[in-house]
Amino acid sequence: QKEVEQDPGPLSVPEGAIVSLNCTYSNSAFQYFMWYRQYSRKGPELLMYTYSSGNKEDGRFTAQVDKSSKYISLFIRDSQPSDSATYLCAMSAVAAGNKLTFGGGTRVLVKP
Amino acid sequence: DAGITQSPRYKITETGRQVTLMCHQTWSHSYMFWYRQDLGHGLRLIYYSAAADITDKGEVPDGYVVSRSKTENFPLTLESATRSQTSVYFCASGDREKDGYTFGSGTRLTVV
Repeated sequence: QKEVEQDPGPLSVPEGAIVSLNCTYSNSAFQYFMWYRQYSRKGPELLMYTYSSGNKEDGRFTAQVDKSSKYISLFIRDSQPSDSATYLCAMSAVAAGNKLTFGGGTRVLVKP
Repeated sequence: DAGITQSPRYKITETGRQVTLMCHQTWSHSYMFWYRQDLGHGLRLIYYSAAADITDKGEVPDGYVVSRSKTENFPLTLESATRSQTSVYFCASGDREKDGYTFGSGTRLTVV
């Protein structure tokens, strides 16, 4: 079993809809949680960072962490065609030496 | 130009040959990482480095060698390439998870 599980999708939504993405994990030592966005044939780029449990909002993006359930989510409001990409969750533990463990990524397609 | 650059962008090599992928960053970031990305596996850490002359194994280090004699460079060598090493390789650098790691554009390696 992988340490971080993520539904590969693809997830297809109409423009303006809310995109809901999530990851589950098994390592209770994870304390730093991130979401990266990756466009085709490009490297991933950081979207959101959250430490421990709670919510964080940045513009159209909201990240949630529920450590008791080992479950993290990313919501994208008012989705745009430019949001079409693969979204990867990533996490690390305090004692992990800044190493990130990634989920497999969810491909999202926002249709105009 | 400031940034992180990987070379070559594309490489085709034969089984058994040695090949080196280059990674160069201009920010003097402490941490550098090598990941490989494969369908169904997401990003998997091969090696990472916390500083010059300090390297450590990641999740899938077998068949790879790294060195970091200078802070800005982190080459990855496949000692004797195998078909299973056909993949997209990403180099990344950064100082802290919360600031995000910057990824290069990737090297698409095919071993025939």
